[in-house]
Amino acid sequence: EVQLEESGGGLVQPGGSLTLSCAASGFTFNSHWMSWVRQAPGKGLEWVANINEDGSGKHPVDSVRGRFTISRDNAKNSLYLQMSSLRAEDTAVYYCTRIDWAVAPAWHFALWGRGTLVTVSS
Amino acid sequence: DIQMTQSPSSLSASVGDRVTITCRASQSVRSYLNWYQQRPGKAPKLLIHSASSLQSGVPSRFSGSGSGTDFTLTINSPQPEDFATYYCQQSHSFPITFGQGTRLEIK
Repeated sequence: EVQLEESGGGLVQPGGSLTLSCAASGFTFNSHWMSWVRQAPGKGLEWVANINEDGSGKHPVDSVRGRFTISRDNAKNSLYLQMSSLRAEDTAVYYCTRIDWAVAPAWHFALWGRGTLVTVSS
Repeated sequence: DIQMTQSPSSLSASVGDRVTITCRASQSVRSYLNWYQQRPGKAPKLLIHSASSLQSGVPSRFSGSGSGTDFTLTINSPQPEDFATYYCQQSHSFPITFGQGTRLEIK
């Protein structure tokens, strides 16, 4: 079955750190760009970061640049998001997504995990 | 940054109506525009990519149109499972941005 499964969410204090993981299965992981998208409680969707197939290209949103690092381990079919200096406004459900290309350079978030909740609070 | 503005923010419709949701970009995104559906408590699901291409497995009552700055998602005869929140998203340039969402409710 083609799926993405996130883990690693939880409660963390402001200024703390947390690492999210995403296990991919059912498709050729190393052929796809991957991404993290988040959703604060009751709010809309916010793109966090993209990473290319071999991990050499990364694009984070400005609000997390320098605090969050996206990475991947193709041997383990896994995507990661290392988060540090966490703030209350980082509280959200974090979704792991697979990027598919239509006719390049058009692409879209084709597959989503169920998400993992990160709560930043004292 | 490219701002994506959806209208309306919410709307009520009856099963069998025709529903139209609009997404406007603050600058041209050519056809690099995607639409997602999110049901309560669930992850988003891709409906339309590249402005008008129906994702595999999505019912044909969903359709998308537009290019440049103005786009439309149409649902012909929405079914009970279609009452959800819809988001547009541009993949033209970083940072990737989403519209604020349109909540479709049953009248």
